[in-house]
Amino acid sequence: TAGITQAPTSQILAAGRSMTLRCTQDMRHNAMYWYRQDLGLGLRLIHYSNTAGTTGKGEVPDGYSVSRANTDDFPLTLASAVPSQTSVYFCASSDRPTSGRVYNEQFFGPGTRLTVL
Amino acid sequence: AQTVTQSQPEMSVQEAETVTLSCTYDTSESDYYLFWYKQPPSRQMILVIRQEAYKQQNATENRFSVNFQKAAKSFSLKISDSQLGDAAMYFCAYRRSASNNLFFGTGTRLTVIP
Repeated sequence: TAGITQAPTSQILAAGRSMTLRCTQDMRHNAMYWYRQDLGLGLRLIHYSNTAGTTGKGEVPDGYSVSRANTDDFPLTLASAVPSQTSVYFCASSDRPTSGRVYNEQFFGPGTRLTVL
Repeated sequence: AQTVTQSQPEMSVQEAETVTLSCTYDTSESDYYLFWYKQPPSRQMILVIRQEAYKQQNATENRFSVNFQKAAKSFSLKISDSQLGDAAMYFCAYRRSASNNLFFGTGTRLTVIP
């Protein structure tokens, strides 16, 4: 089982250009997430989706958009990249959150290193 | 808002010795989960151990154990018999029970000295 794949592995992008980071999971998880990791700041949630067709904003959503057309794919789009979006981006997935004490482990992809110049 | 604080940017330990990484968090929730993730140089995020807030017993996974102090909102990770492969960034994370959204600390870089 591949788990979660992300593409590209790394990318250098000129400021002002658009970019879509791809994420695909084969675990049939309902929920998917995008995080960014910056030095000294840990991982911060950008957007999430609890099920296909729905999305929600995380801690740092500005400048990013997502879509969830199906269960497996959760692309992250930067419409007009800026240097402050230079970061490592992680996609993750888990079972859908439920009420009560149900533990849903998040599984992470290998990350995409994006540099915006 | 939930916040997770790791006050030790860097720690080091002699191989075969024991080290404790600190984490504190702030929440008004009574039901939540706490996690420690390991991130080696490969960049892959690996779940090390988790703790359910409603459980009083501290979680243990082989050489890894936690000291969960709910009243103090403290969640430290103890690594026993440290190995070279334990060298990595370690992140403490929190999520409330009815949500999957994780809140991470800023991480502690652990060096293991041969």
